[in-house]
Amino acid sequence: SAVISQKPSRDICQRGTSLTIQCQVDSQVTMMFWYRQQPGQSLTLIATANQGSEATYESGFVIDKFPISRPNLTFSTLTVSNMSPEDSSIYLCSVYGLAGGMVQETQYFGPGTRLLVL
Amino acid sequence: RKEVEQDPGPFNVPEGATVAFNCTYSNSASQSFFWYRQDCRKEPKLLMSVYSSGNEDGRFTAQLNRASQYISLLIRDSKLSDSATYLCAIPGGGGYALNFGKGTSLLVTP
Repeated sequence: SAVISQKPSRDICQRGTSLTIQCQVDSQVTMMFWYRQQPGQSLTLIATANQGSEATYESGFVIDKFPISRPNLTFSTLTVSNMSPEDSSIYLCSVYGLAGGMVQETQYFGPGTRLLVL
Repeated sequence: RKEVEQDPGPFNVPEGATVAFNCTYSNSASQSFFWYRQDCRKEPKLLMSVYSSGNEDGRFTAQLNRASQYISLLIRDSKLSDSATYLCAIPGGGGYALNFGKGTSLLVTP
């Protein structure tokens, strides 16, 4: 499986500010996703990060609030913009499909970024 | 009907017991199913994949019932270290992203 890292691992932010979360994979992967897990809840898909093009957002999530970049097959960022306390959550990136001929049928998750907005 | 539903529990069982939980899904066309384990304050980690009728890995058995649209996870000879939240996941409409259930909490006690 791929090794996935996220930065920062946690942060405490003031409302109205923005935070960019990075996701780095040690192998080229076909697909990268961003999920949110609010306290006591399950994972909710925010968007699919598309390499070299705009991300595909799920219902309820918009680019202005959660801009996403994916400049190559191993890296993606998620920005949480103009934060409010309701954005306090764990943000996880996940990957699917190792490129280069190694097919990975399932998703693996990064360690997550714990965000608290005051 | 929600896409993926799980009994949140918690399931409290003694060490050595056998415990099973179910996950129901709404999309009858689903072809693959996953059980993830999530420890407190950690990311989900893949436990088992199910592509046909079921899968077995040591003390863990996953079974698929397509007619009733549910998958089950059976844990035999429970260990203290099995205490965690077990998440059921099924690919969503886009094909690769996963829809997760809310998870079932398991606490194995001495």
